[in-house]
Amino acid sequence: GDSVTQMEGPVTLSEEAFLTINCTYTATGYPSLFWYVQYPGEGLQLLLKATKADDKGSNKGFEATYRKETTSFHLEKGSVQVSDSAVYFCALRRSSNDYKLSFGAGTTVTVRA
Amino acid sequence: DAGVIQSPRHEVTEMGQEVTLRCKPISGHDYLFWYRQTMMRGLELLIYFNNNVPIDDSGMPEDRFSAKMPNASFSTLKIQPSEPRDSAVYFCASSLGLAGNTGELFFGEGSRLTVL
Repeated sequence: GDSVTQMEGPVTLSEEAFLTINCTYTATGYPSLFWYVQYPGEGLQLLLKATKADDKGSNKGFEATYRKETTSFHLEKGSVQVSDSAVYFCALRRSSNDYKLSFGAGTTVTVRA
Repeated sequence: DAGVIQSPRHEVTEMGQEVTLRCKPISGHDYLFWYRQTMMRGLELLIYFNNNVPIDDSGMPEDRFSAKMPNASFSTLKIQPSEPRDSAVYFCASSLGLAGNTGELFFGEGSRLTVL
């Protein structure tokens, strides 16, 4: 079945460091891909998305490019801040007719001042 | 506009007791999802509804779990009887399923359940 695999954490960084969280997927057809972020004590919220190959999603300094050839959707940010400390989830939506999301295990990121 | 509202935020109960979690989706959204989050299993989809009708309940762990959506603005997830392994954070999410919409999910803040 469709699934998402993301790098295990936790990840600890210093402020202004470069962040990469790897995400690969397995799916038939042409899924939509998402990154969600969960701040402490809160629900998940959409960070960025891409709906077709080669699309780049971006938000709050984060970017991810939908790479069909490598079935990947890696999340990157050039200079992290303490406020970026959160759990990041890669997710997949199988098709435009399917409204449920399959989530990866989540990667905990801690940014230290 | 209010987001997805869940209650209670925290629930501590004893094994064997009935637990009811509640959710009010965003007004106008026609999809509602119940997810469970644990350290061991991550985020699991339990069940989802479209226009108040259950579409896929294959993620519901067992018969002790049941979910209802009596109207467009309210859903419940019930566990009876509860067991310690049910301890988790339960999230409700809603979505607007228009054609061409990417189907972004809007999550509530979750209900943290502890079963002693």
